[in-house]
Amino acid sequence: AQSVTQLDSQVPVFEEAPVELRCNYSSSVSVYLFWYVQYPNQGLQLLLKYLSGSTLVKGINGFEAEFNKSQTSFHLRKPSVHISDTAEYFCAANNYNQGGKLIFGQGTELSVKP
Amino acid sequence: EAQVTQNPRYLITVTGKKLTVTCSQNMNHEYMSWYRQDPGLGLRQIYYSMNVEVTDKGDVPEGYKVSRKEKRNFPLILESPSPNQTSLYFCASSLGWVTDTQYFGPGTRLTVL
Repeated sequence: AQSVTQLDSQVPVFEEAPVELRCNYSSSVSVYLFWYVQYPNQGLQLLLKYLSGSTLVKGINGFEAEFNKSQTSFHLRKPSVHISDTAEYFCAANNYNQGGKLIFGQGTELSVKP
Repeated sequence: EAQVTQNPRYLITVTGKKLTVTCSQNMNHEYMSWYRQDPGLGLRQIYYSMNVEVTDKGDVPEGYKVSRKEKRNFPLILESPSPNQTSLYFCASSLGWVTDTQYFGPGTRLTVL
């Protein structure tokens, strides 16, 4: 069965520093990967997704992620974070064998400090 | 405005008292889903529906029921809530079921005493 692992539960960083949030997945078939963000007291919204093609995916708010098939990873990066990026970030995966189930990682809490 | 709405946003209830959390989307999406979010566990799917009258179990369906009588609505029913169902619940919808973006409601925080 497919699984998604987010390697860090909490990531504290200072404003304007770069950040990387790590995500690994397991899948024996073609996989589609997503990053969602949850701001405090809100629902989730899509940051970016990888379906096929270029392995570097650009999303909203200056975030990008790289699909690495050999390392089964889909890490999220931002070169310079803002206070407003403070949120919980979820990596998720899906494939046609899962019957409609989007599998989420445990989440990473990004805390940006001034 | 395209959106997914959930009601109520907050609910405190007692063990055994039946409740329904409503979910509605105005985007004509085929696929709808319910998740629960618990600290350290991420989001886990409860039930999903690929179309009207078509529903199936997710990873944690025990203690929950759903129905999809109309395309826009997908209520979540707890027939006899228990304290272990205290959680944050999200409804989501998408056009398709694998590669399409899921749009989430604002969440319903449920406490069962």
